[in-house]
Amino acid sequence: RKEVEQDPGPFNVPEGATVAFNCTYSNSASQSFFWYRQDCRKEPKLLMSVYSSGNEDGRFTAQLNRASQYISLLIRDSKLSDSATYLCVVNVSGATNKLIFGTGTLLAVQP
Amino acid sequence: GAGVSQSPRYKVAKRGQDVALRCDPISGHVSLFWYQQALGQGPEFLTYFQNEAQLDKSGLPSDRFFAERPEGSVSTLKIQRTQQEDSAVYLCASSPRTTGSQETQYFGPGTRLLVL
Repeated sequence: RKEVEQDPGPFNVPEGATVAFNCTYSNSASQSFFWYRQDCRKEPKLLMSVYSSGNEDGRFTAQLNRASQYISLLIRDSKLSDSATYLCVVNVSGATNKLIFGTGTLLAVQP
Repeated sequence: GAGVSQSPRYKVAKRGQDVALRCDPISGHVSLFWYQQALGQGPEFLTYFQNEAQLDKSGLPSDRFFAERPEGSVSTLKIQRTQQEDSAVYLCASSPRTTGSQETQYFGPGTRLLVL
């Protein structure tokens, strides 16, 4: 079983739609949680960190449920430019700060 | 300012060749990471440096993989006797400090390695 699991998609949605991605992680020692965005043939870039209290950045809302080991990302009013792969990422406690990535969920926003 | 840079951006190698991939982290960043991303997968951790010290190499898939960062800045990932399964994008990331699990890692554009 992978440490971070996501639905690979693709999610095909029309412009303006609301779309939600979910992710589960297996290591209860995970300390920090992130969503990264990766455009085709580009490097991953941090979209937002995820906190237990939930956090919002414009059209993006991230939630963390530590009890269920579950992370979500909600995108409202989706734009064509949101088309990308969204990577769920955790950082397990330890000296390294290495990131554990999910497979990624592909989002295609259609006109 | 300048971000993380990697070279070459693309590398084609014949099976059995040795390759060397270079990473220039953001100036002053203490931590440096290498990840391997196979097609259709998320990046997977290979190794971690704090300055010049390689503190974690648990992700290196075999003893054909070797990484160094001798002066605590530029890092090189070397793959000896390349195999077809080594074909992937090799990503380098750096972060300013060593502590704090919320530290943002800044990724370079990657080196796309194809082994024929």
